[in-house]
Amino acid sequence: EVRLLESGGGLVEPGGSLRLSCVASGFTFTNYDMTWVRQAPGTGLEWVSGISRTGDNTYYADSVKGRFTISRDNSRNTLFLEMNSLRADDTAEYYCAAGRPTIIPLLMSFEHWGQGVLVSVSS
Amino acid sequence: SYELTQPPSVSVFPGQTARITCSGDTLPKKYAYWYQQKSGQAPVLVIYEDSKRPSGIPERFSGSSSGTVATLTISGAQVEDEADYYCYSIDSSGDHGVFGGGTTLTVL
Repeated sequence: EVRLLESGGGLVEPGGSLRLSCVASGFTFTNYDMTWVRQAPGTGLEWVSGISRTGDNTYYADSVKGRFTISRDNSRNTLFLEMNSLRADDTAEYYCAAGRPTIIPLLMSFEHWGQGVLVSVSS
Repeated sequence: SYELTQPPSVSVFPGQTARITCSGDTLPKKYAYWYQQKSGQAPVLVIYEDSKRPSGIPERFSGSSSGTVATLTISGAQVEDEADYYCYSIDSSGDHGVFGGGTTLTVL
C-alpha cells in the first residue's frame, strides 16, 4: 500500500522555524520527484516547492523562496521542508505529494498524496 | 506571477454534464492536470496530460484542451462528484508549479 506520512507541524510564533518530514512507503521513492503543496484554511491549493528524484534540482514558489528549503534523504525514503522566518500567512495544511518525473520538471501528475500536516503561525 | 483562472463555482443537477474551465497563457504548450478534493480529504488526480484518465477514475470524467483553455467534463454528474476541483500546470519559466483557484462543484 502506498503511503505518505507527514509530521512536524504545530503552532509556532511569527519568525520561528519548523521542519516538516514526509516518510514514503509502498513505492520506490527514488523513482519519484516530490512536491510540497499547502492549503490555507478555507482557501485553495498552493504549490510550494518541488525536488527532483536525485535531489539535484529544487524549485520554490516566490512566496517561500529564501525562507523554505526542500530536501530529501533517499536512504530513509524521507522528504523534508525546512521552514524559517515563518509568517502568519504560512498558516496552512501542508501536503507532500509524489509524481513520476517527465521531460519537463514540475509538469507531472501528483499520483500519491499524504493526508497533510497543520502548521499554525501565531503569537 | 502566473495564474490559472477557474470559475469559483459550477452547479448541475444529477445526470447533467458539468464543465469546469481553466484558463492560462501557457496551456497551449503545457499540459493541464486536474485534481478532485472532497471536504477534509487530500486531493486526488482525476485527469493528467490534458485528457488522460488514471486507472480507477470513472469514465464520466474526461478532459480536453484548446488554446489557452483546458476543460474538465463530468458527463452524468453524480452526487458523489461534489467536491472542489483544481487545475495544475507550470509557468512559462518552468520553475514554478501553479494551481488554479479551484472550482466548487455542486450537484443539486
